[in-house]
Amino acid sequence: AQSVTQLGSHVSVSEGALVLLRCNYSSSVPPYLFWYVQYPNQGLQLLLKYTTGATLVKGINGFEAEFKKSETSFHLTKPSAHMSDAAEYFCAVSGEGQNFVFGPGTRLSVLP
Amino acid sequence: KAGVTQTPRYLIKTRGQQVTLSCSPISGHRSVSWYQQTPGQGLQFLFEYFSETQRNKGNFPGRFSGRQFSNSRSEMNVSTLELGDSALYLCASSLEAGTGELYGYTFGSGTRLTVV
Repeated sequence: AQSVTQLGSHVSVSEGALVLLRCNYSSSVPPYLFWYVQYPNQGLQLLLKYTTGATLVKGINGFEAEFKKSETSFHLTKPSAHMSDAAEYFCAVSGEGQNFVFGPGTRLSVLP
Repeated sequence: KAGVTQTPRYLIKTRGQQVTLSCSPISGHRSVSWYQQTPGQGLQFLFEYFSETQRNKGNFPGRFSGRQFSNSRSEMNVSTLELGDSALYLCASSLEAGTGELYGYTFGSGTRLTVV
């Protein structure tokens, strides 16, 4: 079975500071990994995904994530936070023949 | 190209009633999945439909059911509503069965169901 943990249900950063949202997974097959963002009263929007190939993945809105197999991690980063980045972020894992499983989410607040 | 459309956006129902939610996937997408999102339980998978057949089902009681039509539009139904069914119900579509797991899903904006 697959699972996802996201360290920190709520993360606060100052505008312009580094954003780091943590995601660790467990999977019995090579994982496919995703980050989604959800703004209030909206659905989920795909930020980026890793399936195979380059382990550093760039997504929309300046976000990127690095797949580290040895650490079973897929942390999301952005060099400089904007006020518009305030939202909830979900990490998800799937794999060949596996269901899509979401983590519990991390709420990001950006302070002026 | 239109995204995933869910109707209605908001719904208020009374305990014991039943409700039907609708989802129109992106044009050309044939797989539709449904999720329940609550503050306590997070995002939980309900079921997935492809070619009018249920391909996969989550761990929800039989009061939750769904179907898919030949045009790929999907509906989910909840009978005998309970207070705990209050949630945001999200629909997600993907091109074919299995492509969501590989490429990710496209989500609608959801239907906010409140049971009173």
